[in-house]
Amino acid sequence: GIQVEQSPPDLILQEGANSTLRCNFSDSVNNLQWFHQNPWGQLINLFYIPSGTKQNGRLSATTVATERYSLLYISSSQTTDSGVYFCAVVLYFYGNNRLAFGKGNQVVVIP
Amino acid sequence: EPEVTQTPSHQVTQMGQEVILRCVPISNHLYFYWYRQILGQKVEFLVSFYNNEISEKSEIFDDQFSVERPDGSNFTLKIRSTKLEDSAMYFCASTEAGVVNTGELFFGEGSRLTVL
Repeated sequence: GIQVEQSPPDLILQEGANSTLRCNFSDSVNNLQWFHQNPWGQLINLFYIPSGTKQNGRLSATTVATERYSLLYISSSQTTDSGVYFCAVVLYFYGNNRLAFGKGNQVVVIP
Repeated sequence: EPEVTQTPSHQVTQMGQEVILRCVPISNHLYFYWYRQILGQKVEFLVSFYNNEISEKSEIFDDQFSVERPDGSNFTLKIRSTKLEDSAMYFCASTEAGVVNTGELFFGEGSRLTVL
């Protein structure tokens, strides 16, 4: 099956710092999403980004599908950014939108 | 903004009991999913559902599990006889019809199941 690798697995940031999270995937995809799981376990949709670049406030994401990676940028981090960030992909074949998740990036932002 | 809603947010049950987790997908969506996340692990696909039948299921989704669309709005996951290892966060998701494999999945906030 498709492999989804996220790095770094753990990241500690000082409030106000910037960071980049990376997601590598092993095959062509036609759906890629980034999620933030907050400390209560809720999954928050961040981006639907099978290709290109999107921005939402202090967060932005870029997917380079031909090179099989996606990046999530967090700028001017805040303590509320703490949590786990998941990348999830769907293989490029006719199917049922079965998302395959990576293991996540655990981010802790300290004041 | 439309959202996927799940109930209950947390359920504690005794081993061997039946549990039903409920989801209300976004109203114009016709593809529905259940995912599971055991504490500290990644999110795993359980089952997808379209046109009142299962369209795909994972190896996790054994005979103890079933899904149903009992009416026009609810989508349920039933676990017949819970085991300790069923303790997890269960997420419901939905997506629009006609955009299978290219559409964004929208997730609910999850139902945390604790089996004692």
